[in-house]
Amino acid sequence: TQLLEQSPQFLSIQEGENLTVYCNSSSVFSSLQWYRQEPGEGPVLLVTVVTGGEVKKLKRLTFQFGDARKDSSLHITAAQPGDTGLYLCAGTANTGNQFYFGTGTSLTVIP
Amino acid sequence: GAGVSQTPSNKVTEKGKYVELRCDPISGHTALYWYRQSLGQGPEFLIYFQGTGAADDSGLPNDRFFAVRPEGSVSTLKIQRTERGDSAVYLCASSLLAPRNNSPLHFGNGTRLTVT
Repeated sequence: TQLLEQSPQFLSIQEGENLTVYCNSSSVFSSLQWYRQEPGEGPVLLVTVVTGGEVKKLKRLTFQFGDARKDSSLHITAAQPGDTGLYLCAGTANTGNQFYFGTGTSLTVIP
Repeated sequence: GAGVSQTPSNKVTEKGKYVELRCDPISGHTALYWYRQSLGQGPEFLIYFQGTGAADDSGLPNDRFFAVRPEGSVSTLKIQRTERGDSAVYLCASSLLAPRNNSPLHFGNGTRLTVT
């Protein structure tokens, strides 16, 4: 069961363009994390958002947690080829032990 | 080493055979997770250990899958009577604390299992 749906599933853009990835759920999450995964490797944590409405910036990446803590977005400004990878949102529902991952967004940035 | 180690990195087996996948977490991490991932998809939860006990095994697809963590450190995922549909990358992750503490997951590079 995938509680977290990401969109788009695939994204191919030119270097320098901006993009936004969405992570949506009908469930409330105590926190959401964003990971990036490169081929042949495990996901690596980018950020954790905890408070509804929270916005965090990491260089060219901006993360937002929805007010109701059911959704999140990742915005990348001026994408670079090094941003290429599989972006995953993940979180723990208020009532469980499972750490759910989203369906994933595969980003390709073309030089 | 400092990170999560998974062995083997690749495993090819014949349909019907038994396989064991090993995960060596970061020292001191109490939580350990197993996930299964298909190409381009998000990891699918299998099982979560807190210490030696399986706190949540609801993601195991059927009784051919079993995992242990006898001493609260190394974990082994065991698959009996493998099927072609079991082919995937099996990821292990560990974290310092339980999920509700927002502790980040540290992943190994996975074991790519191919069942022929």
